[in-house]
Amino acid sequence: AQSVTQLGSHVSVSEGALVLLRCNYSSSVPPYLFWYVQYPNQGLQLLLKYTSAATLVKGINGFEAEFKKSETSFHLTKPSAHMSDAAEYFCAVAGAGSYQLTFGKGTKLSVIP
Amino acid sequence: ETGVTQTPRHLVMGMTNKKSLKCEQHLGHNAMYWYKQSAKKPLELMFVYNFKEQTENNSVPSRFSPECPNSSHLFLHLHTLQPEDSALYLCASSEGRGAEGDTQYFGPGTRLTVL
Repeated sequence: AQSVTQLGSHVSVSEGALVLLRCNYSSSVPPYLFWYVQYPNQGLQLLLKYTSAATLVKGINGFEAEFKKSETSFHLTKPSAHMSDAAEYFCAVAGAGSYQLTFGKGTKLSVIP
Repeated sequence: ETGVTQTPRHLVMGMTNKKSLKCEQHLGHNAMYWYKQSAKKPLELMFVYNFKEQTENNSVPSRFSPECPNSSHLFLHLHTLQPEDSALYLCASSEGRGAEGDTQYFGPGTRLTVL
């Protein structure tokens, strides 16, 4: 069984500041990890996906995430926040041999001008 | 149309009504999913279909009835719902075949309000 914990249901950053959204997972097998973004009144859009090819994964819109096995973490970062980054972000995990995802509760990102 | 589409986008229904939500994917995928997204709760997986066969039913009440006539279409039939069923219902699709790390692509959702 796998689970995901996202630390902080709400994160606020100033425009231009570093974005850091935290995700810790538990999985009994090497995981596949995902970050999705949800803008208001929309579905979830894939930001990036970890598949064990590289520990640092680059995604869309300037986001990236680093897989750290020793810390069971997959935190999402962006060097400089933009107003358009304001949205809710979800971390998800799938175990090897599974195509089903387990989602975290989400972190709402606010960007202050 | 591209990606995953859902209709209607908004639905208001009484507890005695019967309605259906529709999802269509244009990605050539073989697996389709229904999720429920309520405020302050994680996404809840409701149903999974893989090659038109239902492979997952996460203890969903019988007032929700899924139908998958082919790999491109997925319906969620609703009847005698309760106010607590009000939520955003999201449809997703993926390649399926039990592919490891299968990426799911989501539709925009149907915002359901039960009065």
